[in-house]
Amino acid sequence: EAEVAQSPRYKITEKSQAVAFWCDPISGHATLYWYRQILGQGPELLVQFQDESVVDDSQLPKDRFSAERLKGVDSTLKIQPAELGDSAMYLCASSFEQGLYEQYFGPGTRLTVT
Amino acid sequence: GEDVEQSLFLSVREGDSSVINCTYTDSSSTYLYWYKQEPGAGLQLLTYIFSNMDMKQDQRLTVLLNKKDKHLSLRIADTQTGDSAIYFCAGNQGGKLIFGQGTELSVKP
Repeated sequence: EAEVAQSPRYKITEKSQAVAFWCDPISGHATLYWYRQILGQGPELLVQFQDESVVDDSQLPKDRFSAERLKGVDSTLKIQPAELGDSAMYLCASSFEQGLYEQYFGPGTRLTVT
Repeated sequence: GEDVEQSLFLSVREGDSSVINCTYTDSSSTYLYWYKQEPGAGLQLLTYIFSNMDMKQDQRLTVLLNKKDKHLSLRIADTQTGDSAIYFCAGNQGGKLIFGQGTELSVKP
């Protein structure tokens, strides 16, 4: 069964360092989402891509976060510099198209900033 | 925008029914969803209901939607220890999922 792949699964970094996460969506899925889930809360959308274009990045802290999906397939989310408050689970999801299609989630990357 | 609220914890005995409740503010969500998250894992879609339906049953799962009160519930029949997880309800706002804070279900043998 096709799955969304994410790496690394766990990342520990010191504050002020740069960190990057990678996501490979299900093959053929045009829409890709990055969510942040703070412990004890539900996921919150950071950025949504349709193919290689950003559709929604209204909740992305653009002074330190960046996301790209250059070829419209896999995607990278970067934080530079990391802050203590960035400690969270970063979830990637994909769907066939944007709108009401089911979103399939990857296992997430657990980030700890020390 | 959409705001989704859930109770934080629920504890039941194995074999009992579990009912997880959710309230939402934006009635324009076309679909409402229930996701399950096991420890350290991503989210798994359990079921969903179209906004013009009142009830949907899928094996042990029953979803009830009260549009007037903007209340959504998930009933799990014959709850098993493997059902222990965090359950999230979510609304769909133009393709963007808005999640509640999750209900942690603990099933005691």
